[in-house]
Amino acid sequence: DAGVIQSPRHEVTEMGQEVTLRCKPISGHDYLFWYRQTMMRGLELLIYFNNNVPIDDSGMPEDRFSAKMPNASFSTLKIQPSEPRDSAVYFCASRVKGQGRTGELFFGEGSRLTVL
Amino acid sequence: KNQVEQSPQSLIILEGKNCTLQCNYTVSPFSNLRWYKQDTGRGPVSLTIMTFSENTKSNGRYTATLDADTKQSSLHITASQLSDSASYICVVNGGSNDYKLSFGAGTTVTVRA
Repeated sequence: DAGVIQSPRHEVTEMGQEVTLRCKPISGHDYLFWYRQTMMRGLELLIYFNNNVPIDDSGMPEDRFSAKMPNASFSTLKIQPSEPRDSAVYFCASRVKGQGRTGELFFGEGSRLTVL
Repeated sequence: KNQVEQSPQSLIILEGKNCTLQCNYTVSPFSNLRWYKQDTGRGPVSLTIMTFSENTKSNGRYTATLDADTKQSSLHITASQLSDSASYICVVNGGSNDYKLSFGAGTTVTVRA
């Protein structure tokens, strides 16, 4: 299995531009999570999906952030417009079906975003 | 206040030596605790999971302990190797919602030859 695949790995953009991050979860996993990691705040949950349905987006910082999961094999996290404080590493993770509370998260390699 | 506190923030050890990382949590109720290893520029990877009834568990040179009464866990690395240089993150599952994880800030371990 190829694991969780994220793209792009690195993105440098200017303030005000739209940014789209992409994620392909592991086949058969029914939960998908978007996290943001910074030195100051560590890993923070932004939103998660179960069977393609958004369950909790309370971690999304503001309306500039949106996420979709149109099918079981693809999700996007969009920032519009981007701001310098959005600079971070964004991780996508998925979890195998049926493991309940003990289920392990499988993380992608992350997308490092720099907003100038 | 973070419900998962890790110490030390960072440490440097010589190759072949042992080290122990600490994780204290206040999350309640408690379901399980995982230690993740995050190499530089990579995503976290699970090393081990500790459930309420488990006291110790090993994964190769990594040994995790859990004291659910004092809400403390440790990760011991034996005979460290250069490849152990990474950030180690303690993640607690509170059990009330199976997705609700509390993350520690991590301990950065640097192993020097």
